[in-house]
Amino acid sequence: DADVTQTPRNRITKTGKRIMLECSQTKGHDRMYWYRQDPGLGLRLIYYSFDVKDINKGEISDGYSVSRQAQAKFSLSLESAIPNQTALYFCATRQQGDTDTQYFGPGTRLTVL
Amino acid sequence: GQQVMQIPQYQHVQEGEDFTTYCNSSTTLSNIQWYKQRPGGHPVFLIQLVKSGEVKKQKRLTFQFGEAKKNSSLHITATQTTDVGTYFCAAAGGWGANNLFFGTGTRLTVIP
Repeated sequence: DADVTQTPRNRITKTGKRIMLECSQTKGHDRMYWYRQDPGLGLRLIYYSFDVKDINKGEISDGYSVSRQAQAKFSLSLESAIPNQTALYFCATRQQGDTDTQYFGPGTRLTVL
Repeated sequence: GQQVMQIPQYQHVQEGEDFTTYCNSSTTLSNIQWYKQRPGGHPVFLIQLVKSGEVKKQKRLTFQFGEAKKNSSLHITATQTTDVGTYFCAAAGGWGANNLFFGTGTRLTVIP
């Protein structure tokens, strides 16, 4: 969905480095999500935020942190990247009161060497 | 959190053949959604099913929600190469209220 953007789209980094993935949306949605996708494992929820002051851990939050700088921006950080964090990362948005439909960004492919 | 099992993991079909993917849950689902992810792309919402026994159609795609609201299926009639991708089901009730729990997906390959 072009209304949800992610930067960078691809990133290669080294073990131990700090990295930030950014997500911006122009849909005006209050809820934002970070997912990780690995082959054969589907999409797993890392963190989610219902508004700027509401941040919640998901299924696999260890090793990650997030920041909701504004309603439209939700960043995911890896404080000290490790190789098993190599994956495809997706940001998604949803509007409270709407259906459960989530709108996904294009994804960030992260490789940790 | 909610868990849904999705089968098969992979499916190869000849163009023109039919395709079905199934999602199963051990618990009753409030609703279920289906998403499609094209190769190299991101998941895109297809449909949401809410009612017991609900059947919805989108052209060649037929979506069903079981009577007990514990299973769902997506059936594609006469597949085309444009159907290639991974199909995910997702159920409400994942981590936190109203979050989604995604199935592992079925990757469809259509052989011309």
